[in-house]
Amino acid sequence: ETGVTQTPRHLVMGMTNKKSLKCEQHLGHNAMYWYKQSAKKPLELMFVYNFKEQTENNSVPSRFSPECPNSSHLFLHLHTLQPEDSALYLCASSQATGQPPNYGYTFGSGTRLTVV
Amino acid sequence: GENVEQHPSTLSVQEGDSAVIKCTYSDSASNYFPWYKQELGKGPQLIIDIRSNVGEKKDQRIAVTLNKTAKHFSLHITETQPEDSAVYFCASNDYKLSFGAGTTVTVRA
Repeated sequence: ETGVTQTPRHLVMGMTNKKSLKCEQHLGHNAMYWYKQSAKKPLELMFVYNFKEQTENNSVPSRFSPECPNSSHLFLHLHTLQPEDSALYLCASSQATGQPPNYGYTFGSGTRLTVV
Repeated sequence: GENVEQHPSTLSVQEGDSAVIKCTYSDSASNYFPWYKQELGKGPQLIIDIRSNVGEKKDQRIAVTLNKTAKHFSLHITETQPEDSAVYFCASNDYKLSFGAGTTVTVRA
């Protein structure tokens, strides 16, 4: 266990469903991230939150909606997804953004999402 | 922003041999360079990192070297074992980490 917990581990959803991914960290970090990892593609940064405020949205479609109620929890709300959204969604945390990240990110194990 | 290139994309080595993965970065202000290992079904995990004030760092069978002038850094794994089979990512920082595309390492028994 890395200290970053993601649930569920696996999710199969239809294109008309609404579901949410959850990420929780107990490392005392103040920054949290959502990444998308597709087969044979680099890690794609989706959203960045720093002290609960969204600081980056990398042109992510509105069918993905993040929520960060506090520095320890991060959600990704999903609705009307497409089959090409099937991927591993990774959450990560770090001490804070806005300064060189000298201590790396801690990743969760990810949620394997399949859209049918 | 920072651009990190990683080579090779795949690497197959005989058990016991060494493996080397190379990365280049674009931002001369970058000063932190971590390496991550991702095993099947897991998220990436930090295995070693290096800061710009040192040229080499070693931890048992893994080592990382940094050449700031040339803006490249490398991961070296010696005496490879089957459990070293995984995807490895390099990264460098400006205000956030930028990741390389990953190297799939396969260690043949």
